[in-house]
Amino acid sequence: AAGVIQSPRHLIKEKRETATLKCYPIPRHDTVYWYQQGPGQDPQFLISFYEKMQSDKGSIPDRFSAQQFSDYHSELNMSSLELGDSALYFCASSASGWGQGEKLFFGSGTQLSVL
Amino acid sequence: SQQGEEDPQALSIQEGENATMNCSYKTSINNLQWYRQNSGRGLVHLILIRSNEREKHSGRLRVTLDTSKKSSSLLITASRAADTASYFCATFAQGAQKLVFGQGTRLTINP
Repeated sequence: AAGVIQSPRHLIKEKRETATLKCYPIPRHDTVYWYQQGPGQDPQFLISFYEKMQSDKGSIPDRFSAQQFSDYHSELNMSSLELGDSALYFCASSASGWGQGEKLFFGSGTQLSVL
Repeated sequence: SQQGEEDPQALSIQEGENATMNCSYKTSINNLQWYRQNSGRGLVHLILIRSNEREKHSGRLRVTLDTSKKSSSLLITASRAADTASYFCATFAQGAQKLVFGQGTRLTINP
């Protein structure tokens, strides 16, 4: 069965550079979520999209932006990278519809290292 | 944590024993979910319990939910070495479109 696909798996950037993370949800899933997980930390919710519209927002820095495209894939754009942005970034998708809160299917994550 | 606390933060038991993890949360919820994460890997959904349910079973997993105390517990029976992982509870708040995770319990099963 198809799973959530994230690319790239690993990304190394310098401070102040820009990074773009991509997420391809499971086919026919209508909701995409982005999470950030630091070492030994719990996943922190960043942002979600339902049917290509932003549906909820967490503690996402202003330097970050995200969108969901017509084919339902999503991209997380991160600018002016800081050392503290080094983390594992997960994308997840669900087929729940707005506010229904069904289970999430997670990708394998993108490990971002900022040097 | 965005949500609340998990207890204990780390648990080490012998294979075959039962493992119990507890979770507290802060808001009114639509449902509560438990996820498992092997080191550095993606999260895997284990079980979902809705706010109007009190107990749910799935294989060796048993989850309880007490909405009056805003708490939940996950019991893994007859543990195996392969159960070694971090376990997170997560809540879907009413009116929200986000799953908020707790701090997690790192479970180690010793052969």
